[in-house]
Amino acid sequence: KAGVTQTPRYLIKTRGQQVTLSCSPISGHRSVSWYQQTPGQGLQFLFEYFSETQRNKGNFPGRFSGRQFSNSRSEMNVSTLELGDSALYLCASSSRRTPYEQYFGPGTRLTVT
Amino acid sequence: QQQVKQSPQSLIVQKGGISIINCAYENTAFDYFPWYQQFPGKGPALLIAIRPDVSEKKEGRFTISFNKSAKQFSLHIMDSQPGDSATYFCAASRETSGSRLTFGEGTQLTVNP
Repeated sequence: KAGVTQTPRYLIKTRGQQVTLSCSPISGHRSVSWYQQTPGQGLQFLFEYFSETQRNKGNFPGRFSGRQFSNSRSEMNVSTLELGDSALYLCASSSRRTPYEQYFGPGTRLTVT
Repeated sequence: QQQVKQSPQSLIVQKGGISIINCAYENTAFDYFPWYQQFPGKGPALLIAIRPDVSEKKEGRFTISFNKSAKQFSLHIMDSQPGDSATYFCAASRETSGSRLTFGEGTQLTVNP
């Protein structure tokens, strides 16, 4: 079974721009969660989607948004990028039977200049 | 509010030694406690997990010890190998809150040959 895939793997953007990151979960997994990883703040939960609905949301500003499609693929969008948004963005998926067992993708490294 | 505290921040162990990483949590509603291993350039990989109704769980060289009254849990890596050198994260979640994981700060483990 293929793992979680994320595209692109690396991205460089300029302050003020917006960015869209994509995540394809493990086949059969319907829950997708997003996390931000930085050296200073560690791993922080952004949001979770299940069956195209946002089920949970972390403490991030409204510039961070996401969505999930009918095939469980998910995208997250960050608008009006700030330097502090530079981070590794990780996507994780889990099955309905074991929603607490999350499997992470390799992440998208976003650099904001 | 940091709900999961992890120590030490870094750890150096000789090959064949025992690596011990500790975590403490605050929220007594947490009911699932996984450990993740992350290599540079990769996403976190689920290593082993425990529920609070069990005091210890062993999988190969990896053991989780859980102390519910103290709200602490730890990861023991027996016979540590250079290939175990990675960053380890403890985490906690509530099954009723979906897939949201609250992570510890991480421990950089180096196993010297």
